[in-house]
Amino acid sequence: SQQGEEDPQALSIQEGENATMNCSYKTSINNLQWYRQNSGRGLVHLILIRSNEREKHSGRLRVTLDTSKKSSSLLITASRAADTASYFCATDWNDYKLSFGAGTTVTVRA
Amino acid sequence: EPEVTQTPSHQVTQMGQEVILRCVPISNHLYFYWYRQILGQKVEFLVSFYNNEISEKSEIFDDQFSVERPDGSNFTLKIRSTKLEDSAMYFCASSRQGRNEQFFGPGTRLTVL
Repeated sequence: SQQGEEDPQALSIQEGENATMNCSYKTSINNLQWYRQNSGRGLVHLILIRSNEREKHSGRLRVTLDTSKKSSSLLITASRAADTASYFCATDWNDYKLSFGAGTTVTVRA
Repeated sequence: EPEVTQTPSHQVTQMGQEVILRCVPISNHLYFYWYRQILGQKVEFLVSFYNNEISEKSEIFDDQFSVERPDGSNFTLKIRSTKLEDSAMYFCASSRQGRNEQFFGPGTRLTVL
């Protein structure tokens, strides 16, 4: 299976702290995308990093990609209560589908 | 900001009935997808659609499933004879091109009784 696997499964942090989660995958990819899902809701696209990129930023989000280790990390800086959600990595290894991991559930405590 | 929309938000049906889930992708996007998420499980790819034909489908997408783009804006998923195990959240997504960001709709929660 190509599916990415996130680590840790769950993360609880204090508001203002940083949250880091990792994603590992198995085969070569075109790109890797990170999504957020609030409980019972849709998937919100956060960021896409291509296989020839090593780092990308978007607001308080920082994503890294290490293709030699087949891994990616998502860092959320200065977390807020509104960041409480599940975060998924999804790998695109052909043009037509994404393979999702099981997600990291992040709880930000006020 | 353009969004993918889906209707209905929740569909309840009896086992064996046909359901049609509807999606309006983002208007300048060319690739369309359906995914599903059974409660507590991973998001799973069902099918992709480009240039009015299926590009790829998963093993889940058997003869009971079909997709259609009946006009220039809608993209539908039909389940011909629903089973209990079809109960899930169904997400539509679209992207401008392959290998681009896929933007997801809010989902349709399908409950099969």
